[in-house]
Amino acid sequence: EDKVVQSPLSLVVHEGDTVTLNCSYEVTNFRSLLWYKQEKKAPTFLFMLTSSGIEKKSGRLSSILDKKELFSILNITATQTGDSAVYLCAVEQNYNAGNMLTFGGGTRLMVKP
Amino acid sequence: EPEVTQTPSHQVTQMGQEVILRCVPISNHLYFYWYRQILGQKVEFLVSFYNNEISEKSEIFDDQFSVERPDGSNFTLKIRSTKLEDSAMYFCASRPPTGVPSFSGNTIYFGEGSWLTVV
Repeated sequence: EDKVVQSPLSLVVHEGDTVTLNCSYEVTNFRSLLWYKQEKKAPTFLFMLTSSGIEKKSGRLSSILDKKELFSILNITATQTGDSAVYLCAVEQNYNAGNMLTFGGGTRLMVKP
Repeated sequence: EPEVTQTPSHQVTQMGQEVILRCVPISNHLYFYWYRQILGQKVEFLVSFYNNEISEKSEIFDDQFSVERPDGSNFTLKIRSTKLEDSAMYFCASRPPTGVPSFSGNTIYFGEGSWLTVV
């Protein structure tokens, strides 16, 4: 059975802290791994990773994929209260003409002032 | 950036009633999806649609569910006889053709969701 597991389930930090969110996966037909931020409604795209060892960076956020050990991490440096959200990891699987995403359960991050 | 739009944003329906959730995917996209998220739970894949037919579906997507692209722009999810456990946020998503570059690196675009409450 395909699975995507995120840890920790939740995290409370203070502004300025650095956090590392983890995502491990066991899926068939791996195509890519995506990170999303979910605040109120729709998941908001952060990163898509397809190659091992290549860091993707956007401002204070960065992410990297290890396809050998089947995991990815999302780092957020100098956290701000606006970073408070649920962070979702999803693995895109390649099936015929219907790529689908399998989501992890998310990590709920709360950043306190 | 272009958007996937969904209507209604919130619907309350009685158990046993039929519900249609509507989505307008991004215009040049070819792959369409429905996902759902029950409150406090994971986002779950329901169905993918390509070339006017279902290409993949999950175990959740049973005979009570159907999808349609009636007019080349809308993509609908119908639940024939709603149950209490169908209460969830339903997300539509779409993807461009393979090989189309994206300025943001994003390939799968989600709508804002339709919150369905079955009472």
